[in-house]
Amino acid sequence: AQRVTQPEKLLSVFKGAPVELKCNYSYSGSPELFWYVQYSRQRLQLLLRHISRESIKGFTADLNKGETSFHLKKPFAQEEDSAMYYCALSVSGGYNKLIFGAGTRLAVHP
Amino acid sequence: GAVVSQHPSRVICKSGTSVKIECRSLDFQATTMFWYRQFPKQSLMLMATSNEGSKATYEQGVEKDKFLINHASLTLSTLTVTSAHPEDSSFYICSAPGDRGRVAYGYTFGSGTRLTVV
Repeated sequence: AQRVTQPEKLLSVFKGAPVELKCNYSYSGSPELFWYVQYSRQRLQLLLRHISRESIKGFTADLNKGETSFHLKKPFAQEEDSAMYYCALSVSGGYNKLIFGAGTRLAVHP
Repeated sequence: GAVVSQHPSRVICKSGTSVKIECRSLDFQATTMFWYRQFPKQSLMLMATSNEGSKATYEQGVEKDKFLINHASLTLSTLTVTSAHPEDSSFYICSAPGDRGRVAYGYTFGSGTRLTVV
């Protein structure tokens, strides 16, 4: 079965601390993974996609097929990073629907 | 970048009435539109996938007759909640493959519609 697991509902850190938001997936095919972010009162927006191997706003995420993980990391958290973060898996075949994890709320305190 | 415009942002309706939610892709053609439902403090649950020119594909457990989806053109998809009841109150979000429909470049989301059925 296709599944995305984000084990932490809330991650609370102080400004300047490292951040790691965990994401594990279950999928028998070749995964396409994304991280989406939802700031307060804003729409969901793409943060990262594994295919591009880029760093956005200091965040990086590496796909580890052996561990079926796609953890999101940032070495020094900023207060403006406070938001809801969703890991998502694109399932191929048909119309490439997205399956979302439950989401992790990141709270960065001053 | 690709933008999906979703309207209305909020709607309150009486129980038993129908509500239509529109999603338009701006500056790009969306042959596919995904419709999600999000309950408070929960994740997005895919309800259905609409495709221009063909019938929508519904996820297991989603009532086709209650949630009518129409993909009238390459830039417009609508979700109609028919005979709405209080349990249909939720946040509905549409999404299209972003950046000229290329899935690998992510998905573009509408701003969502908060439906309250009284």
